[in-house]
Amino acid sequence: DGGITQSPKYLFRKEGQNVTLSCEQNLNHDAMYWYRQDPGQGLRLIYYSQIVNDFQKGDIAEGYSVSREKKESFPLTVTSAQKNPTAFYLCASRDLGTRSNQPQHFGDGTRLSIL
Amino acid sequence: QKEVEQDPGPLSVPEGAIVSLNCTYSNSAFQYFMWYRQYSRKGPELLMYTYSSGNKEDGRFTAQVDKSSKYISLFIRDSQPSDSATYLCAMTDTGRRALTFGSGTRLQVQP
Repeated sequence: DGGITQSPKYLFRKEGQNVTLSCEQNLNHDAMYWYRQDPGQGLRLIYYSQIVNDFQKGDIAEGYSVSREKKESFPLTVTSAQKNPTAFYLCASRDLGTRSNQPQHFGDGTRLSIL
Repeated sequence: QKEVEQDPGPLSVPEGAIVSLNCTYSNSAFQYFMWYRQYSRKGPELLMYTYSSGNKEDGRFTAQVDKSSKYISLFIRDSQPSDSATYLCAMTDTGRRALTFGSGTRLQVQP
């Protein structure tokens, strides 16, 4: 089954702790994205990557870090520097092939809460 | 001012009604327009994807883009309780790195 898998579905963070959210896709998509969703604010871009071993900051990158060591994987670490991490985190991917601009497809998200 | 404005609702309609959802935007460079449907505690699911101005129809759903007015719409005919969800508009130009989203409209279809 082709798709984007995010894990875990629910995650709790203690003060001062770093936590890592997993995102895996088997769609052979080049680009991957992390968004944060807060009530009433839509989706805001944290980081994105268009190729392995390269990634770019989005609009709200402070307190987050990512890596892209494999095409299919784009984990997001929420560091202790992120003072308000409680949110719904969404991973997306997109084909950057020769066809016209392709839409993004999303995983089912990880809900992160502070203990 | 946000780049994309969307009424958060909630919008409550009876089953069978025609629903109209709308977004306005300020960036005239946007050319690709999307509507996503998001159920509670799930990721957004792509519903409609259009390029430039015009209409696109898919079953009970019709997407309209009016670039001159910077206004996009999604119409849902014969609405069903299963259509109850949050609807997000999203858009991009040809070169942007990611999508710009509206804040989403919550729709409730009453049986």
